[in-house]
Amino acid sequence: KQEVTQIPAALSVPEGENLVLNCSFTDSAIYNLQWFRQDPGKGLTSLLLIQSSQREQTSGRLNASLDKSSGRSTLYIAASQPGDSATYLCAVLTSGTYKYIFGTGTRLKVLA
Amino acid sequence: DVKVTQSSRYLVKRTGEKVFLECVQDMDHENMFWYRQDPGLGLRLIYFSYDVKMKEKGDIPEGYSVSREKKERFSLILESASTNQTSMYLCASRLEAYTEAFFGQGTRLTVV
Repeated sequence: KQEVTQIPAALSVPEGENLVLNCSFTDSAIYNLQWFRQDPGKGLTSLLLIQSSQREQTSGRLNASLDKSSGRSTLYIAASQPGDSATYLCAVLTSGTYKYIFGTGTRLKVLA
Repeated sequence: DVKVTQSSRYLVKRTGEKVFLECVQDMDHENMFWYRQDPGLGLRLIYFSYDVKMKEKGDIPEGYSVSREKKERFSLILESASTNQTSMYLCASRLEAYTEAFFGQGTRLTVV
């Protein structure tokens, strides 16, 4: 059974810092992995989707990497801003299934 | 841009009422989902639909049913609302398996 873990659960950094969020999964047979952000009381906003054949994806200041063999993905945020403050969730689609398994999220606070 | 729209941001219903949560997507997506999100439990899948009038139970379908009469609309029905169904409900859609998932803004349901 696929399990997805995100560490740390919470993170507080000063503005301008580069940071890395981690996502680990137990079953490496995945189709893809998607990163989302969630603002308090709101829905999820898609950030990046990485297919199993890809090693990384980039969008603006965000870069997500995928290492299937070690069961890990990282989300790199460059030059963090207070507007980046949110909860970041990763979701894994395991081979042979139709549903995403979500991590518990990392709550990020960027201090001005 | 893909748009997934949930009919209400906030709802307050009484115990025993029949409740309808509506979700509409505008990108001709095949797959649609209903999740609930609770503190400490993360996102849990209630129901999944892979085509019109086709549905599958997710992890926690008890007390819920769904309807998908048209491709763009996926409704979640609480047959007889109970206080333990107080939660944030999130609808999502994607074109097909392995593609990017998009979420609505969420419906905060309170059952009193």
